[in-house]
Amino acid sequence: GQQLNQSPQSMFIQEGEDVSMNCTSSSIFNTWLWYKQDPGEGPVLLIALYKAGELTSNGRLTAQFGITRKDSFLNISASIPSDVGIYFCAGLNYGGSQGNLIFGKGTKLSVKP
Amino acid sequence: DTEVTQTPKHLVMGMTNKKSLKCEQHMGHRAMYWYKQKAKKPPELMFVYSYEKLSINESVPSRFSPECPNSSLLNLHLHALQPEDSALYLCASSRQRVETGELFFGEGSRLTVL
Repeated sequence: GQQLNQSPQSMFIQEGEDVSMNCTSSSIFNTWLWYKQDPGEGPVLLIALYKAGELTSNGRLTAQFGITRKDSFLNISASIPSDVGIYFCAGLNYGGSQGNLIFGKGTKLSVKP
Repeated sequence: DTEVTQTPKHLVMGMTNKKSLKCEQHMGHRAMYWYKQKAKKPPELMFVYSYEKLSINESVPSRFSPECPNSSLLNLHLHALQPEDSALYLCASSRQRVETGELFFGEGSRLTVL
């Protein structure tokens, strides 16, 4: 089946540093999404991307929908301690159902004050 | 604060028990989902309800039985579970079962099966 390769698996960074993570697939997706999950909570949608090449920002977060439709990246600028958590990319294809929402394995972010 | 409310937050049950997980949303969403999440893994889809009808069952064992009494409520009935069923069970909702991927998750119910 379809798989998403998310990297890195984990990151340990200093507060104030910028962060970059990405997701790749051998399959084309029509939508890319980025979710964040804090410990003990459910995932929260950060950014949704619907068009190849689209670059979208949400505060210090910026995400891009790759032009090939097979990848996406998420950047976090000037990280702060509350950025700690697990970031999941997710890809979706039209013409199917919500059952076609595929999650990456996650990137665990740790921020050192 | 999440607008999808799940109860209980924690549940411990034996393999012979019958229990239920509950989920509620008042955002007027017409699609609701159950996901299972093991530690350090992404959420795995179990069931999807659209307009109160079951539309997807991802080959989930019959010891898990979903129920959608109305458009705001979603239950997951548990019976004769196995220890490997211990996980975080997440409920989610979306406006409709359309292809946006924009899900609103609850905080989850952490289940331990002894």
